[in-house]
Amino acid sequence: GENVEQHPSTLSVQEGDSAVIKCTYSDSASNYFPWYKQELGKGPQLIIDIRSNVGEKKDQRIAVTLNKTAKHFSLHITETQPEDSAVYFCAASRAGANNLFFGTGTRLTVIP
Amino acid sequence: DAMVIQNPRYQVTQFGKPVTLSCSQTLNHNVMYWYQQKSSQAPKLLFHYYDKDFNNEADTPDNFQSRRPNTSFCFLDIRSPGLGDAAMYLCATSRDMGFAETQYFGPGTRLLVL
Repeated sequence: GENVEQHPSTLSVQEGDSAVIKCTYSDSASNYFPWYKQELGKGPQLIIDIRSNVGEKKDQRIAVTLNKTAKHFSLHITETQPEDSAVYFCAASRAGANNLFFGTGTRLTVIP
Repeated sequence: DAMVIQNPRYQVTQFGKPVTLSCSQTLNHNVMYWYQQKSSQAPKLLFHYYDKDFNNEADTPDNFQSRRPNTSFCFLDIRSPGLGDAAMYLCATSRDMGFAETQYFGPGTRLLVL
């Protein structure tokens, strides 16, 4: 089955700096890679996703890059704000599969 | 507007006492999922319904059951909760199970077993 590794497990940045979270996956058949943000006591919320036919996707301060050859993808948050503080999960899945394989999460703290 | 609703948000039960968690959705999605998330861990899929078809993950304990009486509602039944079942239980939905189908999560129910 798929194995998704996520690094770092914790990340602290100063407000306004950039944050980068990296994930690797093992199943070359995986073709969909969402990123979820989970605030304390809440369910995960989708913030951005990327399909395997795209190398990069950007939405305002958030971007995701995908390297299919190396089987890794990354989340980039620029101009971080205190409200970006949360746990971020990467995930991978493939068409028709019922399971999202989650990474182990990154706790991001943005220091005002 | 809330799209995936879970009730209750917090549930306390006693060891061995059956408990039911509820999920409803206003998205009219075909697929509903139940995940278990323990502290500081990633969500783990327990099972899902594709319409009325139930699909259990191989490593989901028999203690966990689910019902989906209609498109909008799905229930998680824990027949005999143990201390190890204390966790956040997340319900999610997706329109279908094709390529790149987004899963939308509810706020979760935190279960405490005494």
